[in-house]
Amino acid sequence: AQTVTQSQPEMSVQEAETVTLSCTYDTSESDYYLFWYKQPPSRQMILVIRQEAYKQQNATENRFSVNFQKAAKSFSLKISDSQLGDAAMYFCAYRRYYGGATNKLIFGTGTLLAVQP
Amino acid sequence: GAGVSQTPSNKVTEKGKYVELRCDPISGHTALYWYRQSLGQGPEFLIYFQGTGAADDSGLPNDRFFAVRPEGSVSTLKIQRTERGDSAVYLCASSPTGSNTDTQYFGPGTRLTVL
Repeated sequence: AQTVTQSQPEMSVQEAETVTLSCTYDTSESDYYLFWYKQPPSRQMILVIRQEAYKQQNATENRFSVNFQKAAKSFSLKISDSQLGDAAMYFCAYRRYYGGATNKLIFGTGTLLAVQP
Repeated sequence: GAGVSQTPSNKVTEKGKYVELRCDPISGHTALYWYRQSLGQGPEFLIYFQGTGAADDSGLPNDRFFAVRPEGSVSTLKIQRTERGDSAVYLCASSPTGSNTDTQYFGPGTRLTVL
């Protein structure tokens, strides 16, 4: 079974600074997808960024980028130029490439990010 | 609608009661997922619908939990004989086809509190 681990329950960053959130996962599969989701107090999960395991290039979306280390099974999220609106719970998630009957997401326990003005 | 909607936003019930939680997916999305998020945890998969049928219900914790999607759009999660341990946020997500390349779009969830 696949598992996702986020070892940082809480993180804090100053506005305009850079912060990195960590995520490790365990799987025996070679192809899969990894995601970072943001969950603000409104509870609605919002996709931040997505990485396909077969792609060596790290995904980037504006101020958000990932450091995907497949051999180490590590998938960290870097937020540059942090903004007050980035404050939220961030979840790392895994999905099988060949989902079979399902394409369910497997989530970590989350990291609560605070942004200080 | 523009996004996934869920009703009610909050539900408080007493132990032993029956509750129904509703999910209205994005129009045209054939795949629908239910997840449960307990306090301090990430969401955990409950059930996946492809159209009207439950393609994977392996995450349902026991037979008190049941979900339907009779017309392939709106889904209802039903919980019988609620227990205090059922208290959680229940999230619904939909995706266009259910393919492995799809993005899942989440609703705001229903917070269920069992007293």
